[in-house]
Amino acid sequence: NAGVTQTPKFQVLKTGQSMTLQCAQDMNHEYMSWYRQDPGMGLRLIHYSVGAGITDQGEVPNGYNVSRSTTEDFPLRLLSAAPSQTSVYFCASHQGETNEQFFGPGTRLTVL
Amino acid sequence: AQSVTQPDIHITVSEGASLELRCNYSYGATPYLFWYVQSPGQGLQLLLKYFSGDTLVQGIKGFEAEFKRSQSSFNLRKPSVHWSDAAEYFCAVGLISGGYNKLIFGAGTRLAVHP
Repeated sequence: NAGVTQTPKFQVLKTGQSMTLQCAQDMNHEYMSWYRQDPGMGLRLIHYSVGAGITDQGEVPNGYNVSRSTTEDFPLRLLSAAPSQTSVYFCASHQGETNEQFFGPGTRLTVL
Repeated sequence: AQSVTQPDIHITVSEGASLELRCNYSYGATPYLFWYVQSPGQGLQLLLKYFSGDTLVQGIKGFEAEFKRSQSSFNLRKPSVHWSDAAEYFCAVGLISGGYNKLIFGAGTRLAVHP
């Protein structure tokens, strides 16, 4: 099993550009999440999904969209990138409320 | 609102010394508690978790943590640190909502290990 995979590893955008961060998991987990990590702030939840077709907002959802058409994939879309979205983005998945979340390796995004 | 506080931003210890990383949480009920470790350029890996039962929890890599309800704390300990333990450590509270485990993270503690 590959676990949770994320692409790309690195990305540089100009302000106003759009892009999609990809996340996939091969563990058949029901729940998936997107976090951003900023220095001194830990990880903050952006959006999450409790199953295919069902998504909800986390702590910092503004400027991001998500969808979940399959169990495996949970892409994160930036419609109009802003410098404040410069961060490291992590995708995670888990199955069952008492089970650990498995994290992907992250995407480092810079918005100029 | 629920929150997690890790009072120490940076800690430096000598190899072989003992380690304690502090974590305090604010939550109305008995929380689910986690410690994760992040090596440079990597994702997060679960060290240990507490849901109920014995308040002293054993994890991977020789780590343990103790849940103290009276102090709202969940401190991470290791009796003898190895150079490979240098990393960033995150404490998290899990809030269950509709079966989904929503993690609230602390800001992290960066551990440096001197030879």
